[in-house]
Amino acid sequence: DADVTQTPRNRITKTGKRIMLECSQTKGHDRMYWYRQDPGLGLRLIYYSFDVKDINKGEISDGYSVSRQAQAKFSLSLESAIPNQTALYFCATSDFSGNTDTQYFGPGTRLTVL
Amino acid sequence: AQKVTQAQTEISVVEKEDVTLDCVYETRDTTYYLFWYKQPPSGELVFLIRRNSFDEQNEISGRYSWNFQKSTSSFNFTITASQVVDSAVYFCPSLGGAGGTSYGKLTFGQGTILTVHP
Repeated sequence: DADVTQTPRNRITKTGKRIMLECSQTKGHDRMYWYRQDPGLGLRLIYYSFDVKDINKGEISDGYSVSRQAQAKFSLSLESAIPNQTALYFCATSDFSGNTDTQYFGPGTRLTVL
Repeated sequence: AQKVTQAQTEISVVEKEDVTLDCVYETRDTTYYLFWYKQPPSGELVFLIRRNSFDEQNEISGRYSWNFQKSTSSFNFTITASQVVDSAVYFCPSLGGAGGTSYGKLTFGQGTILTVHP
């Protein structure tokens, strides 16, 4: 089984709809992240959480919100989806113990907003 | 803030050729970390290597080798005897160390699309 899972893997929705993307991990890592990838722009950080009670905005948080329900679960919500939120979304986790902090990514969710 | 520049947007080679992907980073952090990730056509991001800012030792892993030069702020990646399976997008993000403004956050460049033709 994959260490970092994302659901759904693909989603098509309409403008104005509320969407939730979910991420779960079995790696036991304390840190979790949400990124979006647009063609030619690499990945950009949306939100990150260093532990359950710690939530921080990233580079492009406008239009998004997150919830860290447990150490293993980190959800990303689009309250009212718009077409320019069409992108590939990645969840990642890392473990700072041992001072490594290497991030491991889930398989991605391809979101299309019509 | 950190910045990563990957000089080549796209590279095309024929199988068995050697290829080097360039990566230049900018940071004001004293401690930072550099990575290489591979994104094959299937879309997932695969971790390849991590290098600490205080460790300039080069590394070789099979056909892959990495050259970190702090003096030129570069962390280049060479694939020897390339294969079709090496075709992917490659990213070299940086991560700020403790006490820096980019602590714990990966900063990505735009990536390099490598195509290896048979």
